[in-house]
Amino acid sequence: DVKVTQSSRYLVKRTGEKVFLECVQDMDHENMFWYRQDPGLGLRLIYFSYDVKMKEKGDIPEGYSVSREKKERFSLILESASTNQTSMYLCASKPTPLGNTGELFFGEGSRLTVL
Amino acid sequence: AQSVAQPEDQVNVAEGNPLTVKCTYSVSGNPYLFWYVQYPNRGLQFLLKYITGDNLVKGSYGFEAEFNKSQTSFHLKKPSALVSDSALYFCAVRGISGGYNKLIFGAGTRLAVHP
Repeated sequence: DVKVTQSSRYLVKRTGEKVFLECVQDMDHENMFWYRQDPGLGLRLIYFSYDVKMKEKGDIPEGYSVSREKKERFSLILESASTNQTSMYLCASKPTPLGNTGELFFGEGSRLTVL
Repeated sequence: AQSVAQPEDQVNVAEGNPLTVKCTYSVSGNPYLFWYVQYPNRGLQFLLKYITGDNLVKGSYGFEAEFNKSQTSFHLKKPSALVSDSALYFCAVRGISGGYNKLIFGAGTRLAVHP
């Protein structure tokens, strides 16, 4: 089974702090994604990466950056956390389109509270 | 525009009764449609998908979904609900943004199954 691991399940940070959310997948998937989940808004795509050192903005990239130095690891960075970034963050991965019809494999989520 | 609508915030069903969770979509071309389930404080789990072929798709945990092209709908169904089915359900459609495939999620529907 594909395993997507998010290192921190719960974090509490203060406004202005730098926050790192780490995600590791063990199935050699090329594509990795970061979503945030908020009640009534569903999942919104922040950033995604289709290869090492490659990144693309999603629908709500403002206030976030990402890093993909190794294929298995995709990090989400909040340079200066703000209270409106309090949310559940979900990492996901999937293999390349060939032979794959698009379903994502999700981690357990990281619930971030910014005070 | 590419979008997914889940018109019900919450669905309440008695255990043993059939359940339906509604989803409609808007996407150009042939749709790739998905249902995911999220249990409390967990990530999303893939339930089923429609790519092509039979309009009735069977998935995990006894769930099925019916693709209706004329109504642009992909409703999730189960003949007999269980209390353990209580969770948050997300419908998603594959869309294209900036030349890349991505999943577009609905806002989610909370299913509550009462004993």
